[in-house]
Amino acid sequence: DSGVTQTPKHLITATGQRVTLRCSPRSGDLSVYWYQQSLDQGLQFLIQYYNGEERAKGNILERFSAQQFPDLHSELNLSSLELGDSALYFCASSFQQGSGTDTQYFGPGTRLTVL
Amino acid sequence: AQSVTQPDIHITVSEGASLELRCNYSYGATPYLFWYVQSPGQGLQLLLKYFSGDTLVQGIKGFEAEFKRSQSSFNLRKPSVHWSDAAEYFCAVVPYSGTYKYIFGTGTRLKVLA
Repeated sequence: DSGVTQTPKHLITATGQRVTLRCSPRSGDLSVYWYQQSLDQGLQFLIQYYNGEERAKGNILERFSAQQFPDLHSELNLSSLELGDSALYFCASSFQQGSGTDTQYFGPGTRLTVL
Repeated sequence: AQSVTQPDIHITVSEGASLELRCNYSYGATPYLFWYVQSPGQGLQLLLKYFSGDTLVQGIKGFEAEFKRSQSSFNLRKPSVHWSDAAEYFCAVVPYSGTYKYIFGTGTRLKVLA
């Protein structure tokens, strides 16, 4: 158990809908990272927040957005869902703002299925 | 282009046999290097990491990895595989400079024969 929690575990929805994925980092960690894992794209970094502020952006679509709240939990919002958004979404956390030596600890993931 | 390559998509070994999973990267400088394991239905668990110093790194579950600068490689090894090692293994790189996001390889799925 990494100490990172993600809810829900599974999510099934229809195209065009909007969903919110939630992540609680390990106690004391200030950074939260979101990743998407799909069969065709592999594991891709989406976005990072550090202490409430966006720190780095990866291959995140404009239909996706995220935020980190004062209690440091984070939410990833996915809107106008398409079939291709079906994937496993991981959250990771680390103590620092993302120095190269800062190990990221991963949650169990949320599996999103878009029908 | 900067990339991380895991050339073996699938590997099958017998229980008790040795294992080596390959990882190559292409970056200008030595990046930070990680190996993660993902068991079925689970998240990613850190096996080991290399930042600097001794090029042979020991990790959890009996795994080790060796950094070879001349080959831009960071191969994962285990002398004797157990059935519980069946999982998917990801090599990850954090470029020495930049935004410090992880760049993952495509993964190697390990199957262990009894």
